[in-house]
Amino acid sequence: AQSVTQLGSHVSVSEGALVLLRCNYSSSVPPYLFWYVQYPNQGLQLLLKYTSAATLVKGINGFEAEFKKSETSFHLTKPSAHMSDAAEYFCAVSDTGGFKTIFGAGTRLFVKA
Amino acid sequence: DADVTQTPRNRITKTGKRIMLECSQTKGHDRMYWYRQDPGLGLRLIYYSFDVKDINKGEISDGYSVSRQAQAKFSLSLESAIPNQTALYFCATSDAGDSTDTQYFGPGTRLTVL
Repeated sequence: AQSVTQLGSHVSVSEGALVLLRCNYSSSVPPYLFWYVQYPNQGLQLLLKYTSAATLVKGINGFEAEFKKSETSFHLTKPSAHMSDAAEYFCAVSDTGGFKTIFGAGTRLFVKA
Repeated sequence: DADVTQTPRNRITKTGKRIMLECSQTKGHDRMYWYRQDPGLGLRLIYYSFDVKDINKGEISDGYSVSRQAQAKFSLSLESAIPNQTALYFCATSDAGDSTDTQYFGPGTRLTVL
């Protein structure tokens, strides 16, 4: 069975500081991994996804994530936070059959001026 | 225009009432999903449909029903609403030809059951 754990329901950073949102997964088969972002009063939108082509995945708005099989992790980073990055971020996993996607509980990112 | 639309965007109803949430998409995707979002619980799958004739229960289908009227339309019904169904509801789609199951979400419906 697949599962996703996001460490920290809330993360607060100062503008310009490093953003690190943690995600660990469990999957019995090679997974596809995703980060989605939800801005206030909007639906989720894809930020980036891992499909086994490269372990370091670059997404929109300067975000990137690294797939580490040995650690079963897929942490999301951004070198310098911007006020507009304040949102809720969801890590998700689907199996290579693509039959079902499992979402983590979400991490709300706050950015302080 | 948005690819995935949901109506209504907000709804307040009373316990025991029947309500329907509607979802339409112009992406041409075969797969459609209904999720509910609760604080601290992330997104939980209610129902999903891989085509018009294929409808499946998700992890929290009790108290809900769905109808796939066409490839582009997928409705969620609460037959007799109760307060713990107060939540944010999302419709999503994915392309059956995309093995990663990347999902595309509507803007959500905020439902309050009094």
